[in-house]
Amino acid sequence: SYVLTQPPSVSVAPGQTARITCGGNNIGSKSVHWYQQKPGQAPVLVVYDDSDRPSGIPERFSGSNSGNTATLTISRVEAGDEADYYCQVWDSSSDHPGVFGGGTKLTVL
Amino acid sequence: EVQLVESGGGLIQPGGSLRLSCAASGFTVSSNYMSWVRQAPGKGLEWVSVIYSGGSTYYADSVKGRFTISRDNSKNTLYLQMNSLRAEDTAVYYCARVEGSYLYYFDYWGQGTLVTVSS
Repeated sequence: SYVLTQPPSVSVAPGQTARITCGGNNIGSKSVHWYQQKPGQAPVLVVYDDSDRPSGIPERFSGSNSGNTATLTISRVEAGDEADYYCQVWDSSSDHPGVFGGGTKLTVL
Repeated sequence: EVQLVESGGGLIQPGGSLRLSCAASGFTVSSNYMSWVRQAPGKGLEWVSVIYSGGSTYYADSVKGRFTISRDNSKNTLYLQMNSLRAEDTAVYYCARVEGSYLYYFDYWGQGTLVTVSS
């Protein structure tokens, strides 16, 4: 089955740019989606289809996807961005199509 | 407004059974792809199961043969029947709607229901 690999943690100072990667075999050929999850809350979609943002998500959140790596970029990081972030793809050719990365804890220093 | 409300979680002994429910409003469950996703304490998200609008179902290897996803169209409700429960099934279980046109992302989530498997 398809595997997505994320770094366990990323740290960034307020106002700087955070980049969270999601690695997978030829992931550039798939649509990648990103979720933010704060403690005790359900996940929230922040980027879909590699780089699109749902309504209500700040423009500071952006995404890219090429080759074997997809990246979630958070510009001008704020304290409120501290959360766990998960990438996700749908492997339609598989009998277990839903796939999440292991998650990355974003710490705002 | 789209809403998903899970219920049915609780403390259950190993080997026992439990049925989770997810009541939907603001859209029709049977016209959408619907999934269950779980999160063990302190761990990441794990996809569990999906039911497509046409009725096809798929499961993670970790639950296949023990869990069954279904829906009641008259009640606009999604279910997850969980049998032969194990300690490793302890988690918060979320139901989520899958954007199923061709991108397949989870656009709406419930608040989750906690299942604890312990003697």
